Amino acid sequence: DGGITQSPKYLFRKEGQNVTLSCEQNLNHDAMYWYRQDPGQGLRLIYYSQIVNDFQKGDIAEGYSVSREKKESFPLTVTSAQKNPTAFYLCASSPARGSLYGYTFGSGTRLTVV
Amino acid sequence: GQQVMQIPQYQHVQEGEDFTTYCNSSTTLSNIQWYKQRPGGHPVFLIQLVKSGEVKKQKRLTFQFGEAKKNSSLHITATQTTDVGTYFCAGPDTNAGKSTFGDGTTLTVKP
Repeated sequence: DGGITQSPKYLFRKEGQNVTLSCEQNLNHDAMYWYRQDPGQGLRLIYYSQIVNDFQKGDIAEGYSVSREKKESFPLTVTSAQKNPTAFYLCASSPARGSLYGYTFGSGTRLTVV
Repeated sequence: GQQVMQIPQYQHVQEGEDFTTYCNSSTTLSNIQWYKQRPGGHPVFLIQLVKSGEVKKQKRLTFQFGEAKKNSSLHITATQTTDVGTYFCAGPDTNAGKSTFGDGTTLTVKP
């Protein structure tokens, strides 16, 4: 079955630590995205990538970093510079420049700072 | 930048009542997409509308794209408890190769 796999499902981070969230897709999609969702809120774009080795900042990129070394993978690092990282993180992909096709979302990672 | 607004933010209905959510864009859209997120789940793509004035149906769900391609609506006839969730619209920012999501309308259905 093709899809997007996010891991871990739940993640606990101590203050001052960096953590990396995994996102892998086997849909052969070119574009990948990271969104943050806070309780009762919409989706806010963190970073996106339309092609390997290239990515762009979204609306709330501060305190986050990404890499796109392989088409299938788009990991997100939440750094200690992110002041309020507790949230639900969603990874998505689409076949081409995002705007013409529906997004496929992963099941998400719930990050909690302890 | 492009803004996509949805109303209402919340809607509580009795099972069997109808439900409508509206989506308005600050710019003309090439297409609009709708997603559903069940409580505790992730957004799932429902449909894409492309043509001006387009109407599409999926069982009890009716999607419309405005004539000016700046607004859209999702109407659910005779809601069921399985319709519970948050419905998002999304419009493409074609210059940037990404989509802008509305804040969603959260539907609760009282049995």
